[in-house]
Amino acid sequence: EVQLVESGGGLIQPGGSLRLSCAASGLIVSTNYINWVRQAPGKGLEWVSVIYTGGSIYYADSVKGRFSISRDNSMNTVYLQMNSLRAEDTAVYYCASASDFFYYAMGVWGQGTTVTVSS
Amino acid sequence: QSVLTQPPSASGTPGQSITISCSGGSSNIGGSYVHWYQRLPGRAPKLLIYGTNQRPSGVPDRFSGSKSGTSASLAISGLRSEDEADYYCAAWDDSLIGHVIFGGGTKLTVL
Repeated sequence: EVQLVESGGGLIQPGGSLRLSCAASGLIVSTNYINWVRQAPGKGLEWVSVIYTGGSIYYADSVKGRFSISRDNSMNTVYLQMNSLRAEDTAVYYCASASDFFYYAMGVWGQGTTVTVSS
Repeated sequence: QSVLTQPPSASGTPGQSITISCSGGSSNIGGSYVHWYQRLPGRAPKLLIYGTNQRPSGVPDRFSGSKSGTSASLAISGLRSEDEADYYCAAWDDSLIGHVIFGGGTKLTVL
């Protein structure tokens, strides 16, 4: 079964850091585009970051310079390092894979991990 | 304010057909595939339509996608209570390399 499992969320104070993990099974992260997408309470989906198969990386303007995406092929896991967290980063964070099979739409999603930034 | 504009809400009765619109511009919908995602209450988003008008395996043919110029649409026929969910369109934008743009989402209520 193809599955993505996020972990690492929690309650963190403003200015703090968290590292989210996205562990894949049934698919190889290095052969898929792995995205991070978040949904703040009462808001819609917001794309956060992506790492391409070739290693190219892109970030939404709202997180550029604070968040960092990386990939560990040996662990088949993608990470999202989140620094200088703000209250507006509070959201459920999903990782989602995209491949040419679905014209690079996000065909597999994890269940999400909740990040709450509050003092 | 998203670059892709969706109506915040839509509604219909069981058996009815409805359409959800997604309006953009020449740099996104006009030149890109459009994808649609369904987010059922309490669940992770699910790919509903990819490549503007393709359905993943397992998605009923009651769901269909289309595009005309800089606008895209998701049509749902034979509405069912389990279709009550949030629906999001998504596309890439030529001016934002690598970025995925989501519409603001449409909450569908089945009356």
